[in-house]
Amino acid sequence: EAGVAQSPRYKIIEKRQSVAFWCNPISGHATLYWYQQILGQGPKLLIQFQNNGVVDDSQLPKDRFSAERLKGVDSTLKIQPAKLEDSAVYLCASSLGAGESYNEQFFGPGTRLTVL
Amino acid sequence: AQSVTQLGSHVSVSEGALVLLRCNYSSSVPPYLFWYVQYPNQGLQLLLKYTSAATLVKGINGFEAEFKKSETSFHLTKPSAHMSDAAEYFCAVSLTGNQFYFGTGTSLTVIP
Repeated sequence: EAGVAQSPRYKIIEKRQSVAFWCNPISGHATLYWYQQILGQGPKLLIQFQNNGVVDDSQLPKDRFSAERLKGVDSTLKIQPAKLEDSAVYLCASSLGAGESYNEQFFGPGTRLTVL
Repeated sequence: AQSVTQLGSHVSVSEGALVLLRCNYSSSVPPYLFWYVQYPNQGLQLLLKYTSAATLVKGINGFEAEFKKSETSFHLTKPSAHMSDAAEYFCAVSLTGNQFYFGTGTSLTVIP
């Protein structure tokens, strides 16, 4: 079974530029999560989708961050414009969203963003 | 509000020694609790989870954790450390089983 795919793996941009990350969850997983992991900290949930609807985006800085999950499969996370403090690893995870293991999250390898 | 506290950002143990990583949670009701492991440059992998069934939960790679409501703790243990256990470990809490809150992590070093 293929895991959660993310691209790019690494990205370096200058502040005020825009950047987008892509995530392809495990086939059949209804729930998709985006996390921000700053160096030395635990992952922080940015947004959670159930199919193509948003379940929780309370910690998403909506003035600069946006995310979408068209057709309930792939998802993109965008930052526009980026700030220095956005430097972090962006993790995507997915879960079945149903059944006994509905909340078991499978994580992708992450995208490491450096903002200069 | 839900939160987890992981005591000790760095833990070192000798190979073959007991591993004990501490996690305390803050929640008004018994939550779902999870332990994840993260190897360098990789995503997180689920070790084990507590979902109100048995209080002693066994996970992968010989790890286990015990839910203690009176102490609001969910410490992770392994009887004998292996070199391959060196990684970052995260405790996470969820009330609903959906929204997760992670601790700041504990880096485990195994000394040969």
